[in-house]
Amino acid sequence: DQQVKQNSPSLSVQEGRISILNCDYTNSMFDYFLWYKKYPAEGPTFLISISSIKDKNEDGRFTVFLNKSAKHLSLHIVPSQPGDSAVYFCAARNTASKLTFGTGTRLQVTL
Amino acid sequence: SAVISQKPSRDICQRGTSLTIQCQVDSQVTMMFWYRQQPGQSLTLIATANQGSEATYESGFVIDKFPISRPNLTFSTLTVSNMSPEDSSIYLCSVATGSHEKLFFGSGTQLSVL
Repeated sequence: DQQVKQNSPSLSVQEGRISILNCDYTNSMFDYFLWYKKYPAEGPTFLISISSIKDKNEDGRFTVFLNKSAKHLSLHIVPSQPGDSAVYFCAARNTASKLTFGTGTRLQVTL
Repeated sequence: SAVISQKPSRDICQRGTSLTIQCQVDSQVTMMFWYRQQPGQSLTLIATANQGSEATYESGFVIDKFPISRPNLTFSTLTVSNMSPEDSSIYLCSVATGSHEKLFFGSGTQLSVL
């Protein structure tokens, strides 16, 4: 039972444009959501997070939106840069520090 | 944040053997975890490494297959026992610091079992 789903395994975006990565979840008990970025041969690195009491959190080029009624969150990257090319994982938490991860979306930012 | 050193970074092992993965953190942390990422899959929590007591395993994972040690607040090991090709995965150590809202990950161990 995949409680956190990233339905797009890959995404290609031109440099300078907006990248939108999507994530859906099924467990209404999740109270905290995170995005991680992973480069090949490296561990995931924390990118941005949002509490379930908010609907938006912004950090520089990265913004995460949460729609609780739809059980959907998205990560917006604008403008996209070639260095953003990586695999992005959505994760959700319902107990202290136990995260459930999605399967990831591979973002390719082209020149 | 925390700096996590994990080794080996990769290994190729024969079926039936065991491999021990080490995780060293540069500061004391209360919570350490071991994750697995099978090819094309999400990260799956194997267990929580508890300092001074037995690890807490998630459904589908057992101590005989994945024994874990955590002798202090900065170090843990995960052993993959009696390996089969199905154990070929990336194994990741992670820690929670501060408010426990974020996890920090080691660079992972790429394991291939022949």
